[in-house]
Amino acid sequence: ETGVTQTPRHLVMGMTNKKSLKCEQHLGHNAMYWYKQSAKKPLELMFVYSLEERVENNSVPSRFSPECPNSSHLFLHLHTLQPEDSALYLCASSQGRNVGNEQYFGPGTRLTVT
Amino acid sequence: AQSVSQHNHHVILSEAASLELGCNYSYGGTVNLFWYVQYPGQHLQLLLKYFSGDPLVKGIKGFEAEFIKSKFSFNLRKPSVQWSDTAEYFCAVNALWNSGGSNYKLTFGKGTLLTVNP
Repeated sequence: ETGVTQTPRHLVMGMTNKKSLKCEQHLGHNAMYWYKQSAKKPLELMFVYSLEERVENNSVPSRFSPECPNSSHLFLHLHTLQPEDSALYLCASSQGRNVGNEQYFGPGTRLTVT
Repeated sequence: AQSVSQHNHHVILSEAASLELGCNYSYGGTVNLFWYVQYPGQHLQLLLKYFSGDPLVKGIKGFEAEFIKSKFSFNLRKPSVQWSDTAEYFCAVNALWNSGGSNYKLTFGKGTLLTVNP
């Protein structure tokens, strides 16, 4: 049973749409992450938030906009996406700033951009 | 930039066979090392991790991995696989940039799909 939930689990959107992905962690962690998992490619770290402050932006295009209103919630706002943005988007959380702590992953949102 | 290589894309074994999945990384400094597993339809979960100390680490479900610093490797092993081990396995590395320091970035390999036939 995962302590990290993500909604929606599946999303199909057109290139002109605006949508948001939601992640919630129930583990009392204070660091949260967004990853992109594309077929045949390694997981790519997109953003890291620690204590609600963005501490890493891994050269992600501005059409992806994260938001962390509190330590339990993380959003990824999407607008004017491209078909190549279709992927599985994973959220993770960990305790503390040190990534040596285990990261707990959610089930992901499967995004298809048409 | 650090990178992680998993040389086997898809491994197919019969039950009771021994398993070894390769993982090599490119960073020459201090590292934390991880193996994650993703069972069909489930989320990524930690299998085992190495931070320091004994280079042979044991994880859940009978898995172990050995850190060989001179080879920049962290191979995953299991002496006898079961059908329930069918999953995708990901090696990940966190490079520590300065003494006692850390960063947030886990660099993942592309993953190895393991299929165990009954």
